[in-house]
Amino acid sequence: GIQVEQSPPDLILQEGANSTLRCNFSDSVNNLQWFHQNPWGQLINLFYIPSGTKQNGRLSATTVATERYSLLYISSSQTTDSGVYFCAAFSLGDQFYFGTGTSLTVIP
Amino acid sequence: EAGVAQSPRYKIIEKRQSVAFWCNPISGHATLYWYQQILGQGPKLLIQFQNNGVVDDSQLPKDRFSAERLKGVDSTLKIQPAKLEDSAVYLCASSQNPTGELFFGEGSRLTVL
Repeated sequence: GIQVEQSPPDLILQEGANSTLRCNFSDSVNNLQWFHQNPWGQLINLFYIPSGTKQNGRLSATTVATERYSLLYISSSQTTDSGVYFCAAFSLGDQFYFGTGTSLTVIP
Repeated sequence: EAGVAQSPRYKIIEKRQSVAFWCNPISGHATLYWYQQILGQGPKLLIQFQNNGVVDDSQLPKDRFSAERLKGVDSTLKIQPAKLEDSAVYLCASSQNPTGELFFGEGSRLTVL
């Protein structure tokens, strides 16, 4: 199966700061998603982004499928952005594989 | 549009007891997944259904875990007998098709004492 690595594993930011989270995957993918796991454990969809760039408010994501990585950008971070961010990669005929996550803490 | 529904949200049982979790996917979603998430790790696929057929159950511990999706809609995941290492969050997800976007429920947190 696909190996998915996320970095950094932990990140602490001051409110208002910007950050970049990275997701590397070991093989070509047909689908890539970013999720935010809130403190109550629910996985919230952020982006469905097998390639290209998407933006949603203060968040944006870029996937470069040919180079096997995806980036999640968080601008002007808020305390509500705290939680764990997961990427998940999917290849046809296989399953979704999740990374180990980036734990983000935004302090006021 | 209603999201993926799961119940119960929390369950505490003694080892060797049994437990069952229920999931109702988003309406019209043919593909349903059960994931296990142990604290500090990413979700791990247990079983994937396409309509009421099993697509992948290679990581399901079949000696104690079972799952079914009757009529291709709701699904139940059962653990019998439970072990301490089964303490985890059990996440149900659905998608329109096997390559489509995943949507997760709130999860069922199991504690085995």
